[in-house]
Amino acid sequence: NAGVTQTPKFQVLKTGQSMTLQCAQDMNHEYMSWYRQDPGMGLRLIHYSVGAGITDQGEVPNGYNVSRSTTEDFPLRLLSAAPSQTSVYFCASSYSQTGGYSSPLHFGNGTRLTVT
Amino acid sequence: AQTVTQSQPEMSVQEAETVTLSCTYDTSESDYYLFWYKQPPSRQMILVIRQEAYKQQNATENRFSVNFQKAAKSFSLKISDSQLGDAAMYFCAYRSYGNKLVFGAGTILRVKS
Repeated sequence: NAGVTQTPKFQVLKTGQSMTLQCAQDMNHEYMSWYRQDPGMGLRLIHYSVGAGITDQGEVPNGYNVSRSTTEDFPLRLLSAAPSQTSVYFCASSYSQTGGYSSPLHFGNGTRLTVT
Repeated sequence: AQTVTQSQPEMSVQEAETVTLSCTYDTSESDYYLFWYKQPPSRQMILVIRQEAYKQQNATENRFSVNFQKAAKSFSLKISDSQLGDAAMYFCAYRSYGNKLVFGAGTILRVKS
């Protein structure tokens, strides 16, 4: 019963570095998403996917890339880290968005990223 | 675009008393779901309660209940018999068919012993 697994839990990057945040779920969820959490702004959607091979942009996609080659995995790539990307990142999954919008999101435990 | 507003950045409640957290939302949809999530200091996101817009009856989960006013687009969370473990950030969220989960900015709840 792993649920949604995010790695790493903490990361410090220098400006301009790249990295990948990993996310894996074992619940056979079609829908997966990435959020960032900043003080006073709640959680904002970065990218999401409704199934393998399908991704789309959320509210704040700039500076981030995603891919979905399998149902289980949904990595988030920071191409060239900037201080504005300092945040807590959450991966979340659920049954299909289009058919199951009643389904609550299951969240990973988050990654705290600091860009200096 | 749908928006969710939580107008109380921070609330306090005495242990064993009742507190209500406010949430309003803006949408033109008729069918949707509303959720309350709890985020304790551990950072984990925990589903507290959910409500379908087509259901008139307010959802309840043990000490947690909602007051859903569809016409007013209001979805408040009532916590009865507050406990120290209820201290957390609470997020209201909205989701409709084909749309993403949209969150409010959150309310920090402090519980005093």
